[in-house]
Amino acid sequence: QVQLVESGGGLVKPGGSLRLSCAASGFTFSDYYMSWIRQAPGKGLEWVSYISSSSSYTNYADSVKGRFTISRDNAKNSLYLQMNSLRAEDTAVYYCAACGEGCGWGQGTLVTVSS
Amino acid sequence: EIVLTQSPGTLSLSPGERATLSCRASQSVSSSYLAWYQQKPGQAPRLLIYGASSRATGIPDRFSGSGSGTDFTLTISRLEPEDFAVYYCQQYGSSTWTFGQGTKLEIK
Repeated sequence: QVQLVESGGGLVKPGGSLRLSCAASGFTFSDYYMSWIRQAPGKGLEWVSYISSSSSYTNYADSVKGRFTISRDNAKNSLYLQMNSLRAEDTAVYYCAACGEGCGWGQGTLVTVSS
Repeated sequence: EIVLTQSPGTLSLSPGERATLSCRASQSVSSSYLAWYQQKPGQAPRLLIYGASSRATGIPDRFSGSGSGTDFTLTISRLEPEDFAVYYCQQYGSSTWTFGQGTKLEIK
């Protein structure tokens, strides 16, 4: 049973930084690609980034490339998203997802970028 | 980037009816990497279908997926009250992953 718990969201000013974390349990974390997906208020789902099981491969949506960095620690069963140079349009619920045969999702953490 | 276009945007049906949701891709998608999700208000998305046609664990058999190449379909054979929600398709076989914009299934 995939269990994912996100943390680290909150209110941040434009231009600021935030680091999201995702604690995983109930599955073999090191076997899975992991991803961050976000959903702006009242909008659809937007893929943000993924990282391969051994951290060899990462990729980012154009909207966050150069500002966000995904990483993982397989020894700690944890996924991270370092978000820099935040903008108002980054305001969203950020979901952590474990992706193999489809993706299993956490409950999300809200990031609000506002002055 | 592969663009996924879902139709219709909103589908109004009654419980007991059959729902057919479409997901069309701008270029061919590997069937192995096409998934469908259900999202209810205030909740995280839930995986329904992976590999275009395989039901996820615990998903009732009234949900089925089909299609290949650029055209995929999610069918709900007989709508239950709890099925009214927003549905998203996702492809994760290319270097960048994408979602469709969603289909809202509402009670008529």
